Amino acid sequence: QVELVESGGGVVQPGKSLTLSCAASGFGFGGHAMHWVRQAPGQGLAWVAVISYDTRKNYYADSVKGRFTVSRDNSKKTLFLQMNSLRTDDTAIYYCARDVQGSAGGWYFDLWGRGTLVTVSP
Amino acid sequence: SYVLDQPPSVSVAPGETASIICGGNNVETQSVHWYQHRPGQAPLLVMYYDRDRPSGIPDRFSGSKSGNTATLTISRVEAGDEADYYCQVWDSNSDHYVFGTGTKVTVL
Repeated sequence: QVELVESGGGVVQPGKSLTLSCAASGFGFGGHAMHWVRQAPGQGLAWVAVISYDTRKNYYADSVKGRFTVSRDNSKKTLFLQMNSLRTDDTAIYYCARDVQGSAGGWYFDLWGRGTLVTVSP
Repeated sequence: SYVLDQPPSVSVAPGETASIICGGNNVETQSVHWYQHRPGQAPLLVMYYDRDRPSGIPDRFSGSKSGNTATLTISRVEAGDEADYYCQVWDSNSDHYVFGTGTKVTVL
């Protein structure tokens, strides 16, 4: 079954850290760039980060650059998002998404997970 | 930063046609992709490269582009089409993926 399953969400205080995971199954994970996309309460989708298939390139949204780090373990078919210095405006459902291609820029998302909720609250 | 504008909402009766527009600078030179997002579910790609439909997406869904506006059209609307719809492009100037502001389609 081709799917992406996110985990690791929860409630965390501002300034703290949290790591999200995304487990892939049913397809050649190592051949695709992978993304994180989030949706804050009452808001639309917002792209967060992308990592190329070979980890050589990654890009970040301005709002998370310097605080979040995207990584992957192709042998375990897992994508990660390390989130540091969390802020209340990072509260959102975080989705992982598969890129149709392996490079980090210029394409689109052809498979999504159901998301994991991160709540940043004092 | 690059912005893609969409109308917040579109209402349509069953069997009628819904048109969702997406506007931004230089859209005419970019590839536009569209996603359907129902609450509590994973988003779903419904159109890529302006007008190409993924397998499994009904031919009631079509895409077009004219000037700086891309349009997703849903013909013969059904109750199951009720969802939020987002356009998306790649902004090569900033190396960022950009989503439109989103349009909520309500089936009356």
